[in-house]
Formats: sequence, structure tokens, C-alpha cells
Amino acid sequence: NIVMTQSPKSMSISVGDRVTMNCKASQNVYNNIAWYQQKPGQSPKLLIYYASNRYNGVPDRFTGSGYGTDFTLTINSVQAEDAAFYYCQRIYNSPFTFGSGTKLEIK
Amino acid sequence: QVQLKESGPGLVQPSQTLSLTCTVSGFSLTSNSVHWVRQPPGKGLEWVGAIWSGGSTDYNSALKSRLSISRDTSKSQVFLKMNSLQTEDTAIYFCTRCRPLQGFFDYWGQGVMVTVSS
Repeated sequence: NIVMTQSPKSMSISVGDRVTMNCKASQNVYNNIAWYQQKPGQSPKLLIYYASNRYNGVPDRFTGSGYGTDFTLTINSVQAEDAAFYYCQRIYNSPFTFGSGTKLEIK
Repeated sequence: QVQLKESGPGLVQPSQTLSLTCTVSGFSLTSNSVHWVRQPPGKGLEWVGAIWSGGSTDYNSALKSRLSISRDTSKSQVFLKMNSLQTEDTAIYFCTRCRPLQGFFDYWGQGVMVTVSS
């Protein structure tokens, strides 16, 4: 079974900073990766699909990159409302495994 | 517009069977797949399983022996049944739509909290 490993587990960033978080797949998933944002008490929201495509209405400060086994989500000029958990997920094929998440806190 | 809503009992006794319903609107189950995802309190997301547009199913291998997903297309409902429940199955259970031919989850229900306890 495929394993998705996210790092770091948490990070604390100031408003206006740039943040990068990582997702590593245990086998080649090509570009079949999505990123979701989840705030406390809410359902996950799709940010990025196929590794680098921004979903409808997602601010352009969110950028995804990577291919194969290594993927990155970058948030440029972090805003206070970006405080959340971020999850990567292998998509398109079963099993649709999620990573364990990265918690982003705003100082 | 696309909507999904989960319903079911909030409390289930250990060793009993969990039955959840996902009622959808704004799209057809015969041309879209619906997945279940769960989240234990304070923990991450776990893919549970799916029912595809043609009616076939896929399950998380760790849950497969206890899990069944079915649907009633006339009522726009998807059902999850999981037997032999344990405390580790305590979680928020979400249903979500997988965009056809694209494989990502674009719409989610609000989730339903299920507690396994005697």
C-alpha cells in the first residue's frame, strides 16, 4: 500500500512570510496529488489538484509543485486566515491515501 | 448546487454495526463516485472507501473485512455499513464527491460524529 509522508508536522509562521511544506509518496504517483486545507470544525477544502493546478477560487498565493514521489505546497505571503491543517492525498487511483498533515500556525 | 449530507447515529456500542447515509443533491450517482473519509478526534484524514458510478466499490484494505458501501440511486443516497465496531472507529465520517474522470474530491459533506462507547 502506498504511504504519503508529510513534513514538517507543524510550523509557526508570521503573516507575510513564505511557507513550504512537503509530501513524499512511497512510490511513483506521477502528478496524481491533491492538497486540501482543513480548519477546525470544518470539512477539508480542495486547494490544488494534479500537483500544480489551483482549484476554483483558490488564491494565487497557493502553489503546488512536484512529480513522481516528491511534492511541495508553497504559500507566498501567508495570511492570518491560512492557519489550518494541510493534507496531501494520492488521487485518481485507489487507495486514495492521505498524508498525516501539516499544521500551520500564525504567530 | 452540489450538496452532500451525512446522517446516522451519534453513538454506537462496541461490537455493533454502524450504518451511515449520505444524501446527495445537484449530481447523479450514476455518473459520479462518492467516497467516505473519516477523521478520529484530533487526528488526520483516512480514506475509508468508495462506490463508483457503475456501482462497483473500493475499500481501504485495513477496513475491508468489516466494511460495505452501497447506494440507492433513486433516492440519491449512499450507505456505509461497518461491523464489529471498536473504540478506534470513533471519528467524524465525511462523504465526498470525486469529480468524474479527474479523481479529486471537490465537494464534501459537513461530517457526522460517531462515538463508539458502551
